[in-house]
Amino acid sequence: GAGVSQSPRYKVAKRGQDVALRCDPISGHVSLFWYQQALGQGPEFLTYFQNEAQLDKSGLPSDRFFAERPEGSVSTLKIQRTQQEDSAVYLCASSYRGDSNQPQHFGDGTRLSIL
Amino acid sequence: QKEVEQDPGPLSVPEGAIVSLNCTYSNSAFQYFMWYRQYSRKGPELLMYTYSSGNKEDGRFTAQVDKSSKYISLFIRDSQPSDSATYLCAMSAYSGGGADGLTFGKGTHLIIQP
Repeated sequence: GAGVSQSPRYKVAKRGQDVALRCDPISGHVSLFWYQQALGQGPEFLTYFQNEAQLDKSGLPSDRFFAERPEGSVSTLKIQRTQQEDSAVYLCASSYRGDSNQPQHFGDGTRLSIL
Repeated sequence: QKEVEQDPGPLSVPEGAIVSLNCTYSNSAFQYFMWYRQYSRKGPELLMYTYSSGNKEDGRFTAQVDKSSKYISLFIRDSQPSDSATYLCAMSAYSGGGADGLTFGKGTHLIIQP
């Protein structure tokens, strides 16, 4: 069965460039989450969607970070004017329902390196 | 002090041993508790999912939650070399009306020696 799919798996960009990371959640999953995982650390919450609505973006570290899920399925995390401290693994997770706390299932992440 | 504390290890044990992993937390609003396993260059894989206090068993894995002490544990029986990975605890308050982002520990790096 298809799990959460993220692309690209690896992304190298120069400081100052914009990047876009894609997440395809499990089919039928209402809730979608983005996390940032620094080397040797646990994932840290960035933002949460229920269908197309972004209900929580409290974890986004700056206004350079922007996420969207326009049709309630695929989501894109965009980072503008990248900085070296943005280097991390970006994980996407999805869960089945938005009105109860269902377990979250993760993709394998996009490993972002900013040179 | 972080909301969730977890010893990063590494923790090295011989094959067949019982492994004990644990986390402490400070936020009394947490009521959903999870353990994830993460292999190198892979995403976290859900192992155990529990609500409130108590025990839950699934095969070789047992999860325990003690909300009064703000302490959760994962036990692995008959450990195998394939269990070598990083184990992440995660928790959520879930106030209702939607889902919550999870709060993770740093992860414990476990090594099972053949």
